[in-house]
Amino acid sequence: AQRVTQPEKLLSVFKGAPVELKCNYSYSGSPELFWYVQYSRQRLQLLLRHISRESIKGFTADLNKGETSFHLKKPFAQEEDSAMYYCALRARNAGNMLTFGGGTRLMVKP
Amino acid sequence: KAGVTQTPRYLIKTRGQQVTLSCSPISGHRSVSWYQQTPGQGLQFLFEYFSETQRNKGNFPGRFSGRQFSNSRSEMNVSTLELGDSALYLCASSLFRQGQGEKLFFGSGTQLSVL
Repeated sequence: AQRVTQPEKLLSVFKGAPVELKCNYSYSGSPELFWYVQYSRQRLQLLLRHISRESIKGFTADLNKGETSFHLKKPFAQEEDSAMYYCALRARNAGNMLTFGGGTRLMVKP
Repeated sequence: KAGVTQTPRYLIKTRGQQVTLSCSPISGHRSVSWYQQTPGQGLQFLFEYFSETQRNKGNFPGRFSGRQFSNSRSEMNVSTLELGDSALYLCASSLFRQGQGEKLFFGSGTQLSVL
């Protein structure tokens, strides 16, 4: 069975500082990884997915199969980045069955 | 387009009762998934429906069931409610394209409290 771990429940940084939200996974096959974000009083929404190799709102994430990690990074944090971030894994041929990590609350202080 | 709509928004039930939650996906979306969110266990997958068929099922007891109608709307039912069923139940819809990482669109959820 697959597992997703986000070791930090809370990450607090100052505006302009770099941010790295950690995500580690265990899965025997080739996974698809996602980052979902939930801003205050908003719905959970997709931030980015590894297959797209995209940068959204300045965030990037690289899948490292050797270290089984999919860390989310942003070089300069903004106050509007404050939110709950969830890393999620989709196993091969698993439809929309996602395994979520426990989430990391990012607080960006002015 | 209207987003994913879940009703009701809040629900209070007592132990032993049953409950039905409703989800209307985004127009054109054929896949509907359900997740349970609790402070202790986080987000956990319940089941997924596509074209009225259950495609995947999570590790929940048989008291949790669901269905999907021909218009893609979905319902989930929990029978014989237990205190531990208190949670936020999220519904998510997507266009389902085989083999691709789907973008899920989540609803606001139904907050179920079991007393």
